[in-house]
Amino acid sequence: EVQLLESGGGLVQPGESLRLSCAASGFTFSSFSMSWVRQAPGKGLEWVSTILESGERTYYADSVKGRFTISKDNSESTLYLQMNSLRADDTAVYHCAKGVWGDNWGLGTLVTVSA
Amino acid sequence: DVVMTQSPLSLPVTLGQPASISCRSSQSLVHSDGDTYLHWFHQRPGQSPRRLIYKVSNRDSGVPDRFSGSGSGTDFTLKISRVEAEDVGVYYCMQNTYWPPLTFGQGTKVEIK
Repeated sequence: EVQLLESGGGLVQPGESLRLSCAASGFTFSSFSMSWVRQAPGKGLEWVSTILESGERTYYADSVKGRFTISKDNSESTLYLQMNSLRADDTAVYHCAKGVWGDNWGLGTLVTVSA
Repeated sequence: DVVMTQSPLSLPVTLGQPASISCRSSQSLVHSDGDTYLHWFHQRPGQSPRRLIYKVSNRDSGVPDRFSGSGSGTDFTLKISRVEAEDVGVYYCMQNTYWPPLTFGQGTKVEIK
């Protein structure tokens, strides 16, 4: 059974940084692309970033480009999202998802950016 | 970027009755490989999204057969043949034919009348 467990969320002030993790199990992590999708409170789904299987290619939404960095550790089956220069509009639940098609999703971790 | 537009945004339904959600894309979602990368997701309150349908009409494992997807080009539909209580929540369409970015519809909230 595929399991995705996010962690690392919390309350930070504008301009600060946070690193999210997503521990994956139940599938061959190194063989799949992985994505981050966020959901602001009461809002819909917004794609944030995707990394290809071996980590050689990464893609970002314009809203986070230059501030967020996605990476994956295939030896640890873990996906990461380094978030710098956080803004109030980055406040959301951040879900990791298997693949580009959203095969499976984690419950998410809440990031709140507020002074 | 491909814009995905869902309708309606709110859908009150009667238990046991059919329901239908429309998703339209700003350009054809037919990929150069011939496939159409349009998928449907369901998110119950307080839960993570779950994919129901992939590539227009393929049901994911464990998805009841009362759910069906259809469409082509720019017009797609998710149908529920007989709504059950567990079907409440928000439904999203998503495309990855032309990405980045992956783009989602606004979501359709299904509730029981």
